[in-house]
Amino acid sequence: DTEVTQTPKHLVMGMTNKKSLKCEQHMGHRAMYWYKQKAKKPPELMFVYSYEKLSINESVPSRFSPECPNSSLLNLHLHALQPEDSALYLCASSQGVGLVYNEQFFGPGTRLTVL
Amino acid sequence: SQQGEEDPQALSIQEGENATMNCSYKTSINNLQWYRQNSGRGLVHLILIRSNEREKHSGRLRVTLDTSKKSSSLLITASRAADTASYFCLFQGAQKLVFGQGTRLTINP
Repeated sequence: DTEVTQTPKHLVMGMTNKKSLKCEQHMGHRAMYWYKQKAKKPPELMFVYSYEKLSINESVPSRFSPECPNSSLLNLHLHALQPEDSALYLCASSQGVGLVYNEQFFGPGTRLTVL
Repeated sequence: SQQGEEDPQALSIQEGENATMNCSYKTSINNLQWYRQNSGRGLVHLILIRSNEREKHSGRLRVTLDTSKKSSSLLITASRAADTASYFCLFQGAQKLVFGQGTRLTINP
């Protein structure tokens, strides 16, 4: 299984809602990533988990809260988002950990709209 | 900006022609990767080149890396309509993962 799955595919939420994005991989990868991508822009790294521990947080606002319950799952909890947070949220995983990152496998993304 | 720069931003060619896109970066890197993204979907890994390598091939893809100029190029030979997509370089340094701005490639039949 070389697939990264993300749910939901689409999400519409109000600014006062709490929601979660989910990501799953069964490739035995020990590094998992969250990216945010706005239209016609490159993905921007948000968080990296390595061996289920947060290793990189790119100064992301606290209204985004990542969680890695086990080596196969990665969640992104959303609370009190702003309309400018509307974007495609991409999850990825890779075998490499530490300072050497290898080929990343990406999920199809969750398209988030904040009203 | 820590983001890499890519040029051209957009490229439109005829099927069968070769396409070349370039990526430049600012920091030292461990490796550089190229990804393809079809409209609004997840990215697909194409090729990885390590900082001590100068050239790498994979099928119709050829990647070069010049660490002295902090630049890389991706060549797609004998292009096909299915190659229409956005292409991004991803450079990886110490605790840094940064995508270039991307090149939108259109292959005309």
